[in-house]
Formats: sequence, C-alpha cells, structure tokens
Amino acid sequence: DQQVKQNSPSLSVQEGRISILNCDYTNSMFDYFLWYKKYPAEGPTFLISISSIKDKNEDGRFTVFLNKSAKHLSLHIVPSQPGDSAVYFCAASALGGTSYGKLTFGQGTILTVHP
Amino acid sequence: DGGITQSPKYLFRKEGQNVTLSCEQNLNHDAMYWYRQDPGQGLRLIYYSQIVNDFQKGDIAEGYSVSREKKESFPLTVTSAQKNPTAFYLCASTLDRGAAGELFFGEGSRLTVL
Repeated sequence: DQQVKQNSPSLSVQEGRISILNCDYTNSMFDYFLWYKKYPAEGPTFLISISSIKDKNEDGRFTVFLNKSAKHLSLHIVPSQPGDSAVYFCAASALGGTSYGKLTFGQGTILTVHP
Repeated sequence: DGGITQSPKYLFRKEGQNVTLSCEQNLNHDAMYWYRQDPGQGLRLIYYSQIVNDFQKGDIAEGYSVSREKKESFPLTVTSAQKNPTAFYLCASTLDRGAAGELFFGEGSRLTVL
C-alpha cells in the first residue's frame, strides 16, 4: 500500500520556466512533509519541508504548497536551472508517538531541465 | 567535516553469503536509519535505532540485521535470507528522535548479488 505517491515518473522543462512536482498521500496521520533531491549514486539531500499547520513554505526558488483537504502537495521551482536536474522525492511523517524521524517516501520524479 | 560515511560504495556478493554494510556518523545524532532504494520505488525503511543498544524493524526488515553498540555506528548485515538483496542502500541520521526531523543521508552503498 503506497501511502505517498508521485504519479509522474519524469518531468522535462525548459531552463527559466517553472517546474511543478506533485505528490499525493493517503494517510491522514501525516502532518509533516519534506522534499529531497537526489543525484545519481549519491544520497538524497533535504530541500524544503512544510508542517500541516501551514499551506505554503518558501525558500528561495523553491516553494512547497500543501492542500490538506486534497491530501496533495506540490513543489514549485522557479526559475528552473539545469543544475536542478535530479530525482525529487516527496516524504511524509506523523509527528509524535513512535513515528520519530521515520519517513514514508514516494517513488520519486526525475526532473530534467533543458538549457 | 561532519557527515555520514558509508562503506563500501560498491559491493558484490555471491548468493548465500552474508555481507555487512558500514555506516558511521560524526554528527552526534541520536537516531540512525537504513533505507533501501529500488528502481521505480521510493526509499523503504529497513531498520532504525533511536538510542544505543536499541533498534526497531522498519517496513522491510526480513533478511536483514543491525546492531547499535556505539552512537556513531549502525552497521547493516544483509543475510542470505534476503531474497532480493541487489539494491542501493542508504544510511541516514537525525538529531531529534522525538519529532520528524530532516534526515541526513550518506552517499549510499550499491550491493549486487552475482
């Protein structure tokens, strides 16, 4: 049972345009969401996060939007740069209890930004 | 520099052999995790440890074992009981074991069973 889904395996955009990566979740207990970026043969690196008490969090070119009623979040990258080409993972966690730092990851979306 | 070191980066194993993947961190993080990545799938949690001498099974623990004798170290053994061990293995850690914090990952170890 995939509790976090990234339904687009890949996305291709032109340099300077907006990249929008989507993520859906099914577990209502999730209340903290993160995006990770991964280059080939490397470990993922943390990009941006959002708590369920917010609906938007911005960090430079990266903005994450959360729609709790739809159980949907998205990552916007504006403007996109060739160096953004990587695999992007969406992850979710339920705070408190025994969840600690355990994250449930989506399948990932391969973003390619063309010069 | 502080970070997480995984070794070896690449490992080949014959069927029926156990193999141990090393993970060391000097971030003074409390919790450590092992994830597995397969093509087209998200990272899946194998085992995690929140304090020394204690660890918990994740979602796909069968065929794996771990130990946490020191805060800095969390080795993963892939046993012969693991039916499909060929994968990319990622070790991670977090500072705060009481809340969902961002994970810091190592560079990974790619295991191939011949």
